[in-house]
Amino acid sequence: GAVVSQHPSWVICKSGTSVKIECRSLDFQATTMFWYRQFPKQSLMLMATSNEGSKATYEQGVEKDKFLINHASLTLSTLTVTSAHPEDSSFYICSLYDSSGNTIYFGEGSWLTVV
Amino acid sequence: AQSVTQPDIHITVSEGASLELRCNYSYGATPYLFWYVQSPGQGLQLLLKYFSGDTLVQGIKGFEAEFKRSQSSFNLRKPSVHWSDAAEYFCAVGAQGGGKLIFGQGTELSVKP
Repeated sequence: GAVVSQHPSWVICKSGTSVKIECRSLDFQATTMFWYRQFPKQSLMLMATSNEGSKATYEQGVEKDKFLINHASLTLSTLTVTSAHPEDSSFYICSLYDSSGNTIYFGEGSWLTVV
Repeated sequence: AQSVTQPDIHITVSEGASLELRCNYSYGATPYLFWYVQSPGQGLQLLLKYFSGDTLVQGIKGFEAEFKRSQSSFNLRKPSVHWSDAAEYFCAVGAQGGGKLIFGQGTELSVKP
C-alpha cells in the first residue's frame, strides 16, 4: 500500500489566494520530507527540505515567504503557496526518506492551477 | 557541481526492440542512483535503484541498469519494449543516507507499433 499520501491531487485556485498541500507519511515517522516542483514537460526541481520541528531549508531561488512549509509532526508536512499567481501553476510532489529501508518514497503529487 | 544529464530528450523505438536510456551524473560523494518512470499526469514510479554491490541492477517491468563508475553513467536498458512502456523516464542521484534527489531532464519514450 501507499507509504506517502498527498492531498489534494488537483486544486484550482484564484490568483491572489493561498492553497495548502499536505504530505502524510502513513507507515513511519519521517523527520525529513522533501518538496519538489515540476513544470509541464520539465524535470523535477527540489524546492525545500522540510524538517520536523524546525524551519525548512529552501533551495536557491525558491521564495520562502511564498512557499511556506510546515512540518509540525513526524507524519505531516504541508506546503502553502501564498498569494498564488498563474506562474505558480505546476505539479508539486513530496517525498520522504526511510533510513531503515534505505528507500525514498514519493507522494502521488498535486496539480495546482491558478486562474 | 552536482548534476544529472540525460542526453536524449526524446527516443522512439519499435515495439519489441531493445532500449537503452542514457544517464550521466556528476556527484562529489558516493552516489545513490535511481530510475523513475512517469506517465502523463501521474506521479513517479521507482523502476530500480543502486546503492552498492553488484553494478548490474534489476528492476521492475523487465528493466535493468548498469552502474559504471569510470564513466559516471547509470544507463537503463530493456531487451524488448512494450507499448505500455511509453512514458517519461527520469534518472536521479542522491547522497547515501539522505533523501534529497537531483533529477535529470528526463527522456520521453515513444513506442511505435
